[in-house]
Amino acid sequence: AQRVTQPEKLLSVFKGAPVELKCNYSYSGSPELFWYVQYSRQRLQLLLRHISRESIKGFTADLNKGETSFHLKKPFAQEEDSAMYYCALGDGQNFVFGPGTRLSVLP
Amino acid sequence: KAGVTQTPRYLIKTRGQQVTLSCSPISGHRSVSWYQQTPGQGLQFLFEYFSETQRNKGNFPGRFSGRQFSNSRSEMNVSTLELGDSALYLCASSLGGDAYEQYFGPGTRLTVT
Repeated sequence: AQRVTQPEKLLSVFKGAPVELKCNYSYSGSPELFWYVQYSRQRLQLLLRHISRESIKGFTADLNKGETSFHLKKPFAQEEDSAMYYCALGDGQNFVFGPGTRLSVLP
Repeated sequence: KAGVTQTPRYLIKTRGQQVTLSCSPISGHRSVSWYQQTPGQGLQFLFEYFSETQRNKGNFPGRFSGRQFSNSRSEMNVSTLELGDSALYLCASSLGGDAYEQYFGPGTRLTVT
């Protein structure tokens, strides 16, 4: 069965520091991977999908099939990046979310 | 475009009762998915409806059911409520097909006492 893990429940970094939110998945086929973000008092929203290979709000994520990872990175964190981040996997039948990582960017 | 709306936003029920939650997708979206979010289990996929048919189903008991109408609006029903059903229920819509870009509603907070 497919599974998504995010090893850090909470990640704190200082403003301007690089940030990396880790995501690993287990799936035998070719999944679609996503990052969703939930800012305080806002609804869950799509941040990135691996297929589009774009950078949103300075964030990028590369799918590494060999390591079955889809880590989210940003070179210089901003205070407004503080939020809950969820990695998710879609396989055409199910959509599985990871447990989430709370990112706190300190001034 | 109006976003995904869910009604009601908050609900309190007692054990054994049943509840129906409603979701109106973004205009033009044909797929509606439902999720349960709890502090202990996180976000869990319940089911997905596409063109009035249940297309995918998560690992939840049969007490959880849903349907989708011709206008793509969807309802989720939970029968014989248990304390453990207390959660935030999220609905998400997408264009459908194999499009996974989901847009989430604000959720319905269900409390079972």
